[in-house]
This record gives sequence, C-alpha cells and structure tokens, in this order.
Amino acid sequence: GAGVSQSPSNKVTEKGKDVELRCDPISGHTALYWYRQSLGQGLEFLIYFQGNSAPDKSGLPSDRFSAERTGGSVSTLTIQRTQQEDSAVYLCASSLLRGEYGYTFGSGTRLTVV
Amino acid sequence: AQRVTQPEKLLSVFKGAPVELKCNYSYSGSPELFWYVQYSRQRLQLLLRHISRESIKGFTADLNKGETSFHLKKPFAQEEDSAMYYCALSGRGSQGNLIFGKGTKLSVKP
Repeated sequence: GAGVSQSPSNKVTEKGKDVELRCDPISGHTALYWYRQSLGQGLEFLIYFQGNSAPDKSGLPSDRFSAERTGGSVSTLTIQRTQQEDSAVYLCASSLLRGEYGYTFGSGTRLTVV
Repeated sequence: AQRVTQPEKLLSVFKGAPVELKCNYSYSGSPELFWYVQYSRQRLQLLLRHISRESIKGFTADLNKGETSFHLKKPFAQEEDSAMYYCALSGRGSQGNLIFGKGTKLSVKP
C-alpha cells in the first residue's frame, strides 16, 4: 500500500481482556517495528522483524506482550490480560533493509484500558 | 549503553526567532542520527538524517562527534513549525532498531 496502515485506530478495552493490534507495512519493506508512545516517555521500542530472521523481542515489557509477522508482511501485536499501564499509543513502522533511510510510521492505535 | 537525551521537554519561541532543539547521544560506535517530527494529529515522520546533510523546511542538524550532539536548528521559526520533535539514533550497520529521545515540544508563538 501507499503507507503503513494500522487498525484499529482506537481501542478501549476492559482490564484483563486480550487485545490484538494490526499493522500492514509498506509493500516491499522488509523491516517492521513496533513502538509504544506514552505521554512524557517518548517512543519505547517493543519488537523488530527483519525478513525471515528471528525477531528482536528485547523491548517487550512483559510476557503478556507478543507479536508475529505472517508471510513477511502483516504483523499483529497481542497484549494478554491488559493492565491500565498498557494504555498508550502503539506505533508500527516499516523500512527498507535496516532502516538507515528512515522509518515510515503508521498513524498508531490508541489503546485505553479501563 | 545506547541513549538519546533531549533535555528540554518544551521549548517556546516567538515567530522569526532562531530555534535550537538539543539532542545528545551515547553510543560507542559510529551512529546514524535522525530527527523525526510529529505535527498535531498527524503521524510521526522523518524530518532529516545526518548522513544526507540536507536542509528540510529550513531545519539543519550537524553531527558533532566530539560533543556527541546532533542539535536541530532553524534561523527563523515559523508558527507551522510547532510540533513534537524526536531525535533518534541507530548504530551504523546494526541489525536493530532506532533509539528515540523523549521528545521536545516546540511552540512557536505569533
């Protein structure tokens, strides 16, 4: 597609429920990244996919967070048993190769856990 | 450890005044530095990369390895420059992700 697409744009969920956030990267971009944007905290790296290599999961804050990327394209970030501190904007980005030309970001999913 | 520090959470200037958004980094190798901008209700977008030595929307940034800084500058601020600015670092040739600073909110007053 023309840009990075994320869905849903907004998600309100009850504490303890599971949520799935979707990212559709730019066609041909081999690298895909998930970040979390919280007020006053900037952008926190979560996970990185590059082609068929094993993902870099070093930024995932707990084992309640997981992500997968199917067919080297669409990615899903799953948060199990959501907590209020999970409330944030979840951003997805994609890039050619390793991102040395910069990332293209999606518009994000605003997650609110009530 | 890799780290990007943006010491100012908020920077407020008047239209036509010079602006400098500070960014300092910590990295043991050869970094690649970026500035990203997020205008109100818009997605985060790349503003400029140090490697391309470009000027975008009148903004420039010079990598100073001695001071480990990559400050963003513009000689005459415009109201439309009001936005959130993020400095980011990537290790050259690394397989990994960008490390972002916490951002500086620039407010340009008329």
